[in-house]
Amino acid sequence: AIQLTQSPSSLSASVGDRVTITCRASQGISSALAWYQQKPGKAPNLLIYDASRLESGVPSRFSGSGSGTDFTLTISGLQPEDFATYYCQQFKSYPITFGQGTRLEIK
Amino acid sequence: EVQLVESGGGLVKPGGSLRLSCAASGFTFSRYTMNWVRQAPGKGLEWVASISDSGGYIYYADSVRGRFTISRDNAKNSLYLQMNSLRAEDTAVYYCARSGTTLTPYNWFDPWGQGTLVTVSS
Repeated sequence: AIQLTQSPSSLSASVGDRVTITCRASQGISSALAWYQQKPGKAPNLLIYDASRLESGVPSRFSGSGSGTDFTLTISGLQPEDFATYYCQQFKSYPITFGQGTRLEIK
Repeated sequence: EVQLVESGGGLVKPGGSLRLSCAASGFTFSRYTMNWVRQAPGKGLEWVASISDSGGYIYYADSVRGRFTISRDNAKNSLYLQMNSLRAEDTAVYYCARSGTTLTPYNWFDPWGQGTLVTVSS
């Protein structure tokens, strides 16, 4: 199974900051990576797919990059509603796997 | 509006069984691979199973293979997860999720249902 390792596991930041979350795959997955945001008690919400394509309706302050084994999610200009947990997911092959999550907290 | 609504969760004893359902609306259900993903309390996301549009291809996580069965009824726009031999470690919120496109069974998940809680405890 392809393992995904996210870093950091948790992150404190302030409104207006630029933050970057990384996701490393244990083997090459081309661009078969998605990013989700999850708030407490809610289902995950798709932000990015195919590593860098912004899902419709998602604010442009979210961006994704990378291919192969190394990927990043960047949030430029944090807003109060962005404080949540973020997950990466690979869909290159089954079993589909998720990163362990990155909790983004208010500083 | 695309909508997925799960049902069937609840409290069950270890070794027991439960059947989850997911009612889909707002899209052509029969064209999409469908998926179950779970999340144990306070933990991360774990993919459970996927079924292709026609049901011809089915995939399971190792942790549930042989105990869980995913199925679908395209005439009823419904997805199911039959869970047998349940264990305490199966306790989780179970989400139904549609695959992002119809082009391939290898997909991101969008949208997700609201989830249904399964608790396995004596």
